[in-house]
Amino acid sequence: GAVVSQHPSWVICKSGTSVKIECRSLDFQATTMFWYRQFPKQSLMLMATSNEGSKATYEQGVEKDKFLINHASLTLSTLTVTSAHPEDSSFYICSARKPAGANVLTFGAGSRLTVL
Amino acid sequence: GQNIDQPTEMTATEGAIVQINCTYQTSGFNGLFWYQQHAGEAPTFLSYNVLDGLEEKGRFSSFLSRSKGYSYLLLKELQMKDSASYLCAVGQDSNYQLIWGAGTKLIIKP
Repeated sequence: GAVVSQHPSWVICKSGTSVKIECRSLDFQATTMFWYRQFPKQSLMLMATSNEGSKATYEQGVEKDKFLINHASLTLSTLTVTSAHPEDSSFYICSARKPAGANVLTFGAGSRLTVL
Repeated sequence: GQNIDQPTEMTATEGAIVQINCTYQTSGFNGLFWYQQHAGEAPTFLSYNVLDGLEEKGRFSSFLSRSKGYSYLLLKELQMKDSASYLCAVGQDSNYQLIWGAGTKLIIKP
């Protein structure tokens, strides 16, 4: 199977601090990973597409300087929420597509961020 | 524009059958996906349709009509653990991105 590990599963931080979330593909190489944000009772919102070895592609309305994405290897992408504020509190989920798969995305377990 | 519609909430009885509909209007099409998401958890893959017709997987089946821009997810022999949100998503042609519906919250009653 395809397993995606996401860490941490939950984090509480003070306003103004930065938080890093890691997304790892454990048993396959992922040239592309996706980062989503989900507010309570709402659908997934794509934030950015993370491409190994190149800059991430951000969706309209997502601040590049606030949500830093690094995809330095074929198995790891990181999302850093810089200078977090309470409105950034959300459920952040990453996903990756197994190269030989039929466009099926495998999701990490998600990271719940609470900014005080 | 891109648009995916599915009912906000549905209620069904344990042991019964329920059909969750999804209609879509998107600029590209590279398959239609159904995901299940329990509260507070990440989505898990249920089914993928790229050709018209019915795909059956145990208690779950998914149907697609590309000409009508329509799909449904059919859940049989409902169990309490099926209470979750069911997300319909359409894959785009040129990349692996999905456009997501808002999800249907399914409530199963004894």
